Amino acid sequence: SAVISQKPSRDICQRGTSLTIQCQVDSQVTMMFWYRQQPGQSLTLIATANQGSEATYESGFVIDKFPISRPNLTFSTLTVSNMSPEDSSIYLCSVGKSSTDTQYFGPGTRLTVL
Amino acid sequence: GQQVMQIPQYQHVQEGEDFTTYCNSSTTLSNIQWYKQRPGGHPVFLIQLVKSGEVKKQKRLTFQFGEAKKNSSLHITATQTTDVGTYFCAGKWGGTSYGKLTFGQGTILTVHP
Repeated sequence: SAVISQKPSRDICQRGTSLTIQCQVDSQVTMMFWYRQQPGQSLTLIATANQGSEATYESGFVIDKFPISRPNLTFSTLTVSNMSPEDSSIYLCSVGKSSTDTQYFGPGTRLTVL
Repeated sequence: GQQVMQIPQYQHVQEGEDFTTYCNSSTTLSNIQWYKQRPGGHPVFLIQLVKSGEVKKQKRLTFQFGEAKKNSSLHITATQTTDVGTYFCAGKWGGTSYGKLTFGQGTILTVHP
């Protein structure tokens, strides 16, 4: 399995500001995803980060709010824009290989918006 | 959209008791996976089930996939305090891209020593 790191591990932000979360993998991976997990809740897929092209967003998530970059096969960023307290959550990146659905998750970024 | 329903939401057991969590889809799944998330941690992959009626074991954990590939269960025999955490199933339907999973609501397991 891949070793995945996320930065920052946690942050406290003011409403109206933006935060960029980084996800770094120690090997090239085909699939990268971003999830949100609200306290005590399940995981909700935000988008698939596509290398070299625009991310594919799930219903209820839009690029203006959650812009995603993926410049190469080992790195991706998720920005949470114009934050409100409702954005307080854990954001997780996950990776997989092209021939399997198994997901390996990063340690997550715990975001609190005041 | 397609959903995976998971029950129970919570389960409190005494150490040594058994534990089971169930997942159900209204439509046939391509495969189902199980993940464990320890308190304060991130989800960790446990197993993937692909075949109809498949049963897999990992030590005290037994995973089953229904004959119709619409339901699955995770059973833990003789729970230990190390089993504490949230167990998620994650379903995959045919026609969706690799890795695109839909997670169940999770079952939070508490084990009392």
